[in-house]
Amino acid sequence: GEDVEQSLFLSVREGDSSVINCTYTDSSSTYLYWYKQEPGAGLQLLTYIFSNMDMKQDQRLTVLLNKKDKHLSLRIADTQTGDSAIYFCAESPGSASKIIFGSGTRLSIRP
Amino acid sequence: NAGVTQTPKFQVLKTGQSMTLQCAQDMNHNSMYWYRQDPGMGLRLIYYSASEGTTDKGEVPNGYNVSRLNKREFSLRLESAAPSQTSVYFCASLLAGVAYEQYFGPGTRLTVT
Repeated sequence: GEDVEQSLFLSVREGDSSVINCTYTDSSSTYLYWYKQEPGAGLQLLTYIFSNMDMKQDQRLTVLLNKKDKHLSLRIADTQTGDSAIYFCAESPGSASKIIFGSGTRLSIRP
Repeated sequence: NAGVTQTPKFQVLKTGQSMTLQCAQDMNHNSMYWYRQDPGMGLRLIYYSASEGTTDKGEVPNGYNVSRLNKREFSLRLESAAPSQTSVYFCASLLAGVAYEQYFGPGTRLTVT
């Protein structure tokens, strides 16, 4: 069945760039998402990309999609302490009933 | 605009007790969801409601029931709680526009002893 894989942890120095990676298996994925979860809170949509795009940039966030390898990444430029959170990758074939989440990557920031 | 609200925020139950988790959204979304979040396992879909009056099972429905009371409210019931149901439960609603964006509530942390 469909699966979304992420590494569990990432540690970066404050001010550096963070790159969080994700791989998915469903070749019919139409939308790919990045959600952010801060401690004690629900998930919040950060950004999304359509499967016919290679890249999307939104301020400090850059999403790269390699559809051939089914690989999605989220780059956060100039990482700040407020970026500490769990980041979830998710994909959907364009159906409201079928949104698959990865297990989340916990990003921690070193001073 | 409160978005998605959930009650309670925390709950401790004994094995065999029952309870209902409440969820409401004020964004006029048609679709609503219940997920559970366990360490290292991400979000797993328990039940889904495409619209008022309809519900469908997700990946892990056993031990749960749901009610879509109206367009705003979607409740999750545990009839006989088990320790395996210790988890954080999230309700979400979906804006079925351009990109199927989900909006999440703050979660209910449930412990079953």
